Amino acid sequence: GDSVTQMEGPVTLSEEAFLTINCTYTATGYPSLFWYVQYPGEGLQLLLKATKADDKGSNKGFEATYRKETTSFHLEKGSVQVSDSAVYFCALSVSSGNTPLVFGKGTRLSVIA
Amino acid sequence: ETGVTQSPTHLIKTRGQQVTLRCSSQSGHNTVSWYQQALGQGPQFIFQYYREEENGRGNFPPRFSGLQFPNYSSELNVNALELDDSALYLCASSLGGQASPRGAGANVLTFGAGSRLTVL
Repeated sequence: GDSVTQMEGPVTLSEEAFLTINCTYTATGYPSLFWYVQYPGEGLQLLLKATKADDKGSNKGFEATYRKETTSFHLEKGSVQVSDSAVYFCALSVSSGNTPLVFGKGTRLSVIA
Repeated sequence: ETGVTQSPTHLIKTRGQQVTLRCSSQSGHNTVSWYQQALGQGPQFIFQYYREEENGRGNFPPRFSGLQFPNYSSELNVNALELDDSALYLCASSLGGQASPRGAGANVLTFGAGSRLTVL
């Protein structure tokens, strides 16, 4: 079945460090790919998405490129801030509608000043 | 525009009891889906409602059921609660909603903050 594998956390970085969170996927169809972020006590927020191969999603300094050849969608940010501390989820959807989303287990990021 | 609101935010039940969780969708959205997020895990799809009918379901037993109302709000009901039902239950709304395996092009889901259920 469809699945998402992302690097296990927690990840602890100093402010202004470079961030990479790896995500790979297995899908029966041609999926759309997403990164969601969950801040403490809040629901999931869409961070960025890509719907076809070689698309780059970007938002708030975060980027991820849809790599069909390596079935990957790694999240990167050049300079993290304390406010980026959260849990990050990689997800996919193979439906032409909007569900179901298949999520990875999440990666907790802590950024220290 | 208002976002997705869920109630209650926290609740505690005992094994065997029943629970109802509620969700008000974002203004303009006509589709609601529910996810279960166990501690330390990613959310898992329970089911989706579109036009008051269930039109997609994940790997959850029949004791998980739902409703969608004409105003697009929704309820999740869980009967005969088990300890493993302890989790954060997330509601998400969106526009559209015909789940179909035809390919890519997903729309954006707006999630609520969740209802945290503890089963003792």
